[in-house]
Amino acid sequence: RKEVEQDPGPFNVPEGATVAFNCTYSNSASQSFFWYRQDCRKEPKLLMSVYSSGNEDGRFTAQLNRASQYISLLIRDSKLSDSATYLCVVIGPVSGGYNKLIFGAGTRLAVHP
Amino acid sequence: EPEVTQTPSHQVTQMGQEVILRCVPISNHLYFYWYRQILGQKVEFLVSFYNNEISEKSEIFDDQFSVERPDGSNFTLKIRSTKLEDSAMYFCASQGTGGEQFFGPGTRLTVL
Repeated sequence: RKEVEQDPGPFNVPEGATVAFNCTYSNSASQSFFWYRQDCRKEPKLLMSVYSSGNEDGRFTAQLNRASQYISLLIRDSKLSDSATYLCVVIGPVSGGYNKLIFGAGTRLAVHP
Repeated sequence: EPEVTQTPSHQVTQMGQEVILRCVPISNHLYFYWYRQILGQKVEFLVSFYNNEISEKSEIFDDQFSVERPDGSNFTLKIRSTKLEDSAMYFCASQGTGGEQFFGPGTRLTVL
């Protein structure tokens, strides 16, 4: 089983649509969870951290279900500029202060006019 | 805003040649990382580096790879004898006390 699994998409949605991405992770001892965004041939950029209580940042809402080892990202009112690949990222159980990021393969979103 | 920089942006080399990829992390950061992304695939962890030594390395990071922080500012990844399958985007990242990793723009390595 892959460490972090995502639906590769692509998700093709019109502007203004609501779209949801899902992700599962295999290691129940994983400590922290994130959504990153990656534009074509660019570096990953942190979109938001994911907490068990759920968290919202503008049009973006992230949820974590530790029991199901499931993470989600909801984007409301999609903009053309949201077109990118969304990466589910997990930090494995490490000690010592450093954070080994484990990436999913990403879900591609294409927002069209 | 401070950022991670990487040079070169694109490196083309012949199989068997040595390459050195350079990174300048954010100045007050203490943890440094290399990741790679083969075209069309996921980003993969290669190595983490703290206090002038490797904290953890992946199975990909074999004896052909080495990292160094030669002068307190640069952080380098050396591949001793490149193979075709080393062709990928290599990302450097640095992490401060807040825990977030900031990625550089990457070096695209093409091995012919």
